[in-house]
Amino acid sequence: EAGVTQFPSHSVIEKGQTVTLRCDPISGHDNLYWYRRVMGKEIKFLLHFVKESKQDESGMPNNRFLAERTGGTYSTLKVQPAELEDSGVYFCASSQAEPGRKLFFGSGTQLSVL
Amino acid sequence: SQQGEEDPQALSIQEGENATMNCSYKTSINNLQWYRQNSGRGLVHLILIRSNEREKHSGRLRVTLDTSKKSSSLLITASRAADTASYFCATDAAGNQFYFGTGTSLTVIP
Repeated sequence: EAGVTQFPSHSVIEKGQTVTLRCDPISGHDNLYWYRRVMGKEIKFLLHFVKESKQDESGMPNNRFLAERTGGTYSTLKVQPAELEDSGVYFCASSQAEPGRKLFFGSGTQLSVL
Repeated sequence: SQQGEEDPQALSIQEGENATMNCSYKTSINNLQWYRQNSGRGLVHLILIRSNEREKHSGRLRVTLDTSKKSSSLLITASRAADTASYFCATDAAGNQFYFGTGTSLTVIP
């Protein structure tokens, strides 16, 4: 069974540019989460999809961040325009629907905004 | 933080020793989970303890949960060099969100 895959693994962009991160969850997992970790700090929740619907996007920093989940399958997280403080590792995780579910994580995308 | 805090932030021990790390959280939870992250990799689920459980074991891992104190501990016995990683607690609260802390960085010296 394929795990959660994220692309790209690394991205280096300049301030003001646009970057799109992609996440392919485990097949059949309705729940998809995006998290971000800035160096040494907590892993911060960004948003949660259930199938194609945004269940909770309370962690999204501002309107420069846009997440979508096409047809309830893969998800994209677009940052436009990128700022220096957006640098960090962006993790995607997926899980099944039942209570007490555990999260399966991708390896993350290391985003560096210069 | 959004929810959890791990303590200590960093821990260095000799191989064969036990490692204990703690997690405190802020709100009522359904369950609490511990995850491990090796450098450059994604987080891997280790163990889950439900809010009505007080202790759980899995191999060399022992987790306790004290809901009155809103805290949990993870004990790794007979540590190995391969246990070197960052460890995070995650709480599953109302709304079905998972909130993580800052993590404990564990170094096991061979």
